[in-house]
Amino acid sequence: AQSVTQPDIHITVSEGASLELRCNYSYGATPYLFWYVQSPGQGLQLLLKYFSGDTLVQGIKGFEAEFKRSQSSFNLRKPSVHWSDAAEYFCVLNRDDKIIFGKGTRLHILP
Amino acid sequence: GAVVSQHPSWVICKSGTSVKIECRSLDFQATTMFWYRQFPKQSLMLMATSNEGSKATYEQGVEKDKFLINHASLTLSTLTVTSAHPEDSSFYICSARDSATGFSGYTFGSGTRLTVV
Repeated sequence: AQSVTQPDIHITVSEGASLELRCNYSYGATPYLFWYVQSPGQGLQLLLKYFSGDTLVQGIKGFEAEFKRSQSSFNLRKPSVHWSDAAEYFCVLNRDDKIIFGKGTRLHILP
Repeated sequence: GAVVSQHPSWVICKSGTSVKIECRSLDFQATTMFWYRQFPKQSLMLMATSNEGSKATYEQGVEKDKFLINHASLTLSTLTVTSAHPEDSSFYICSARDSATGFSGYTFGSGTRLTVV
């Protein structure tokens, strides 16, 4: 079955600490993968996307993600989080009119 | 869990006609719904934020007279593409926020593929 799994509903990290948000997918072909961030009351904002090519993708706000086909993963990372990174993060698989959203990971930042 | 039903999943219409897309929260109340549009191999683009009982807030560049949004109840928001043209052909998707569960309660519809011929 086609799916996107974000196993962590909530994650709490201290400001300045590193961050990794997990995303696993199940799809029959090479997926197009996206990470979006949503702040309270706001719409989705694209952080980065992967279609093909270099498996390490750089995005905005200092985020990066690595596509690992062998692990069916597309984890989002940031070396040092800021208080403004507190938000909801969605991993999304999108290809051929199929769009599947992960349930989202709520990121909390400790001062 | 929270489910958002979006209907239709695909529609083909003639140029000049109007098309209505429904976004319905099946088992929760949604005071806020978002409408997005996506072109091939592009990211989702926010079109408007819909709040129950009030006028939708449109993003810059989105024609509110062309893309009519109605959020008349806590479980239903509709997007009507009026006088559709081929350039309106796109993938439209909605998301709804479960008011009871708070910020982490966003759920997405499965999308609508609109083709205008």
